Amino acid sequence: GNSVTQMEGPVTLSEEAFLTINCTYTATGYPSLFWYVQYPGEGLQLLLKATKADDKGSNKGFEATYRKETTSFHLEKGSVQVSDSAVYFCASRDSSYKLIFGSGTRLLVRP
Amino acid sequence: DVKVTQSSRYLVKRTGEKVFLECVQDMDHENMFWYRQDPGLGLRLIYFSYDVKMKEKGDIPEGYSVSREKKERFSLILESASTNQTSMYLCASSIGTGHEKLFFGSGTQLSVL
Repeated sequence: GNSVTQMEGPVTLSEEAFLTINCTYTATGYPSLFWYVQYPGEGLQLLLKATKADDKGSNKGFEATYRKETTSFHLEKGSVQVSDSAVYFCASRDSSYKLIFGSGTRLLVRP
Repeated sequence: DVKVTQSSRYLVKRTGEKVFLECVQDMDHENMFWYRQDPGLGLRLIYFSYDVKMKEKGDIPEGYSVSREKKERFSLILESASTNQTSMYLCASSIGTGHEKLFFGSGTQLSVL
């Protein structure tokens, strides 16, 4: 079946460092891909999405490009802030329209 | 903004108890979902509902049931709680058929002793 694999955390960075969180997917066909973020004590919220190959989703300085060749959707940010500390979930929408989530990657940004 | 409200932030129950987790959304969304979140496993779908009185099993429905008598409310029921149901439970809602953008509640941390 369809699945999403994320790099294990935690990822610890200093403020203003470059961030990459890897995400790969397996699917039949071409699913829509998403990144959700969960701040401490809160539910998940949609960060960005891409619906077809080569699309780039972006929001709040974060970007991710849908790469069909490598079945990847890596999350990047050029300069992280302490307020970006959270858990990040990669997800895909499969053919049954259900969202399938990865295991989550915790990001800790130190001042 | 859409608000999804879960009735309890923390809940402690004993093995064998019947447990109700309540979720209410205020934006007239058709779709509602229950997930459980466990470390290293991400979010796993328990049940979802496309309309009032309709329900569909997710990936891990065993030991759970749901009720949707009103559009805004979706309840998760643990008929006889067990220790392996200790988890964070997240409710979500969405509009339309694609349900790509989910709006989540802040979660209920359930401990079964």
